[in-house]
Amino acid sequence: AQSVTQLGSHVSVSEGALVLLRCNYSSSVPPYLFWYVQYPNQGLQLLLKYTSAATLVKGINGFEAEFKKSETSFHLTKPSAHMSDAAEYFCAVTTSGTYKYIFGTGTRLKVLA
Amino acid sequence: EADIYQTPRYLVIGTGKKITLECSQTMGHDKMYWYQQDPGMELHLIHYSYGVNSTEKGDLSSESTVSRIRTEHFPLTLESARPSHTSQYLCASTATGSNTEAFFGQGTRLTVV
Repeated sequence: AQSVTQLGSHVSVSEGALVLLRCNYSSSVPPYLFWYVQYPNQGLQLLLKYTSAATLVKGINGFEAEFKKSETSFHLTKPSAHMSDAAEYFCAVTTSGTYKYIFGTGTRLKVLA
Repeated sequence: EADIYQTPRYLVIGTGKKITLECSQTMGHDKMYWYQQDPGMELHLIHYSYGVNSTEKGDLSSESTVSRIRTEHFPLTLESARPSHTSQYLCASTATGSNTEAFFGQGTRLTVV
């Protein structure tokens, strides 16, 4: 079975500061990993995905994530936070042959002026 | 433009009423999903479908039912709404293949009074 754990339900950063949102996964087979963003009263929008190609994945809005098998991690980063980055972020995992996308509990990012 | 649509976006309804939440996608995806999400909380899978005439219950028990008569349409029905059904309902679809991302609708925020 797969699972994801997002460390920190709330993260606050100053505008212009580094954004780091943590995601650790558990999977007995090679995982496919995703980061989604959700703005208030909206659905989820894909930021980026890891599908066993490059371990450093670049996404939209300047976000990127690095797949580290040894650490079972897929942390999301952005060098410089913007006010518009304030939202809820979800990490998700799936594997080959399954219908399930397992989502983490989410991290609410607050950007301080 | 390929997309996934949910209607209505917001619904306030009285206890005991029958409601149907609509979800349609234009991407030809075989797999479709319904998630329930309470404000600021994680997503819980309540129903999924592999294709036409294929529906299964998800991990979270739900009193709702679904149907999949056409590939593009995956409506969710509550025969008798109760206040405990108040939540946000998100519809999603994916193409065949586990390394593909899920595409989400905008969600329906349901309030049962």
